[in-house]
Amino acid sequence: EPEVTQTPSHQVTQMGQEVILRCVPISNHLYFYWYRQILGQKVEFLVSFYNNEISEKSEIFDDQFSVERPDGSNFTLKIRSTKLEDSAMYFCASTDFSALHFGNGTRLTVT
Amino acid sequence: GIQVEQSPPDLILQEGANSTLRCNFSDSVNNLQWFHQNPWGQLINLFYIPSGTKQNGRLSATTVATERYSLLYISSSQTTDSGVYFCAVEQGNFNKFYFGSGTKLNVKP
Repeated sequence: EPEVTQTPSHQVTQMGQEVILRCVPISNHLYFYWYRQILGQKVEFLVSFYNNEISEKSEIFDDQFSVERPDGSNFTLKIRSTKLEDSAMYFCASTDFSALHFGNGTRLTVT
Repeated sequence: GIQVEQSPPDLILQEGANSTLRCNFSDSVNNLQWFHQNPWGQLINLFYIPSGTKQNGRLSATTVATERYSLLYISSSQTTDSGVYFCAVEQGNFNKFYFGSGTKLNVKP
């Protein structure tokens, strides 16, 4: 069964550094998402992406965040200058206009 | 946005017991899914169930969209069922899936 893949599985970075989280959505899916989950808390929506542009973004998704689909397969989330409070599990997801499929996540630790 | 409420927030079961988890939502939805987050943090898709009833082994789910709720049934629970169960809904434009706060299940041997 096709799946969403995310890399890296773990990322440790220092405060103020830029990080790029990578995702390969399922190949025939057209809608892509980033969600995050701070340890022990609920799954929070960050941004959705369709037809090469952002469809919706949350108040968390400020100017420090950006998304890009640089080619036909990858979907990336960039955090320009990381803060301690950005430490979380980041999930990529995609859908073919039915069920939502998640990757295994990238655990980001900002020190 | 739509509100998604899950109950109970925490549940402790003895192995072999049955349980029912509930998801209420505040507006009409086009899609509804149940996920299990395992101890490694992975979100496992259990059911895509915008309406009706589905069964998969010891798990089954029912969504009554007109009454704005869904139920997840776990029968003969096992320790591997432990984790957090999330309900997520979507209203038809696919811009956003809204998650509930989850039910944390602990199945004791």
